[in-house]
Amino acid sequence: DIQMTQSPSSLSASVGDRVTITCQASQDIYNYLNWYQQKPGKAPKFLIYEASTLEAGVTSRFSGSGSGTEFTFTINGLQPEDIGTYYCQQYHSQPPTFGQGTKVEI
Amino acid sequence: QVQLLQSGPGLVKPSQTLSVTCAISGDNVSRYSASWNWMRQSPSRGLEWLGRTYYRSKWYHDYAVSVQGRIAIDPDTSKNQFSLHLKSVTPDDTAVYFCARDKYTNSNWFDPWGQGTLVIVSS
Repeated sequence: DIQMTQSPSSLSASVGDRVTITCQASQDIYNYLNWYQQKPGKAPKFLIYEASTLEAGVTSRFSGSGSGTEFTFTINGLQPEDIGTYYCQQYHSQPPTFGQGTKVEI
Repeated sequence: QVQLLQSGPGLVKPSQTLSVTCAISGDNVSRYSASWNWMRQSPSRGLEWLGRTYYRSKWYHDYAVSVQGRIAIDPDTSKNQFSLHLKSVTPDDTAVYFCARDKYTNSNWFDPWGQGTLVIVSS
């Protein structure tokens, strides 16, 4: 299985800050990467696909980039409603696998 | 708007079978381009994909190696739902279980998700 490694595991930032999360794949996954947001006690929410394409209705504060084995997820101008845990997920190979998550706090 | 509503017991004894059901509204379990997945989440395992079912003239199933032999995902077309059955459970199977739809044909883009069901394996 492809291993996905996120860093940092948690971060604390101020409202308005730019926040960056990295995700590394154990092998080349091209751009077959999704990002999800999970709030406490809730299911993950689908945010970004193909590494950089924002799902309809998702705030433009969120963006993604990268290809191959290195990916980033950025929040431009952190807002209180952005707190939660963010996960990357590869879909290059079965089974789909997730990173361990990055908890974002204010 | 597609919604997935989960139901099932929150406590299962070791060696018994864990069963969780996912009722679908706004979509159809046998739609040709859809597939229906189960994931689980625990502190020790993180988010883990368990398997999926989908209909392409007949029903197909794919399962994770980690649970192969213990898992079954069964569609129920009469009730428009699908169920996870995991047998011979141990405390290591304690987790929040989620159902989710593949946004496009076997895309592994999971959207939407059910609300989650915490299942504790304990005597």
